[in-house]
Amino acid sequence: GAVVSQHPSWVICKSGTSVKIECRSLDFQATTMFWYRQFPKQSLMLMATSNEGSKATYEQGVEKDKFLINHASLTLSTLTVTSAHPEDSSFYICSVSSGEDTQYFGPGTRLTVL
Amino acid sequence: TQLLEQSPQFLSIQEGENLTVYCNSSSVFSSLQWYRQEPGEGPVLLVTVVTGGEVKKLKRLTFQFGDARKDSSLHITAAQPGDTGLYLCAGGENSGGSNYKLTFGKGTLLTVNP
Repeated sequence: GAVVSQHPSWVICKSGTSVKIECRSLDFQATTMFWYRQFPKQSLMLMATSNEGSKATYEQGVEKDKFLINHASLTLSTLTVTSAHPEDSSFYICSVSSGEDTQYFGPGTRLTVL
Repeated sequence: TQLLEQSPQFLSIQEGENLTVYCNSSSVFSSLQWYRQEPGEGPVLLVTVVTGGEVKKLKRLTFQFGDARKDSSLHITAAQPGDTGLYLCAGGENSGGSNYKLTFGKGTLLTVNP
């Protein structure tokens, strides 16, 4: 399967600041990338789907102006949490897909907003 | 969005015991996938099943897709402490064009005690 990395693996920030999370596909050209959020002891919730070179498609209830997604190349997608607040603290996970059902997940980024 | 129900939510067993985890939906999925996730890490794909009635084996793990492609089960034989983790089922569905997205169940947290 594809090898996916995320950076940073964890980040602590102050309320009101913005945080950028990178997702890289190291050995695979990912036409589609997904961003998920996982709260403690809960499952993964899809936030948005991004296709290389086009705007991301956000799931219902996810604010596109707060969670900015850029998928500028086949190997890199970024998620920027703007004006972060404590309720945004979560485990953010990306995945890559060739367009079929199978997705390969990154190791996740733990965001803590103070 | 289709929903997936997983049961049980928590399972604590002794090493050597067998167990079965269930994943049920009222809707049909194009495929169903099982993942295992350890704390602080991203999910790791175990198997993908696509054909109704399909059975796949991965060492001591047996996966089955229901005939109607609405449900699946994961059976572990002679569980070992290394099997401890969060087991997630995910249903694949076409979200438009060539894009597929996954809907995750809430997961089964398995603890195998030595």
